[in-house]
Amino acid sequence: GAGVSQSPRYKVAKRGQDVALRCDPISGHVSLFWYQQALGQGPEFLTYFQNEAQLDKSGLPSDRFFAERPEGSVSTLKIQRTQQEDSAVYLCASSLIGYRTVRHEQFFGPGTRLTVL
Amino acid sequence: AQRVTQPEKLLSVFKGAPVELKCNYSYSGSPELFWYVQYSRQRLQLLLRHISRESIKGFTADLNKGETSFHLKKPFAQEEDSAMYYCALRGNTGRRALTFGSGTRLQVQP
Repeated sequence: GAGVSQSPRYKVAKRGQDVALRCDPISGHVSLFWYQQALGQGPEFLTYFQNEAQLDKSGLPSDRFFAERPEGSVSTLKIQRTQQEDSAVYLCASSLIGYRTVRHEQFFGPGTRLTVL
Repeated sequence: AQRVTQPEKLLSVFKGAPVELKCNYSYSGSPELFWYVQYSRQRLQLLLRHISRESIKGFTADLNKGETSFHLKKPFAQEEDSAMYYCALRGNTGRRALTFGSGTRLQVQP
């Protein structure tokens, strides 16, 4: 595929349920980001991977949120015991690290809209 | 702490009118500034960045370090410019994540 893909596109969960959101970055992209976008807000950073290493998880709102990228490609964002305040669009972005800034452009996926009832 | 402020939730103009989408930021160093756009039912995509000093789809943005602003401008709006516009910042300390503003919806009326 040409771009970043995410699945599922929509997820409805009952409060307390665990969910797993998947991101397929652009092939060869080293960096992968997760963002959370609440209704009416801009995206907010959750966590960052460089290959399989999670270098920054300072944006994860609680220990119920967990992300992994075990082989340095596909990433999964897991939310345990979902709460209503977790309802948001979860965006994944990838970028190709290079020596020139132009290669740091982040390409975004379509997002997963999570609704917690 | 880094912060991006877009004071307008909605900006409505008529076709052919000039457009200015405001963006102010706070950051203690020299940031990189970006404008991202999201058209209806499409994903977020990069419109332009201050480093490139380019004009994309007729839009330009100049980084004003004195006023800590990065306003997006277009002299003559087109209906196809209707979209959500997000200003974003990336610091120069190695952290590659973007800090976004809350976005401005631009409506260009015929």
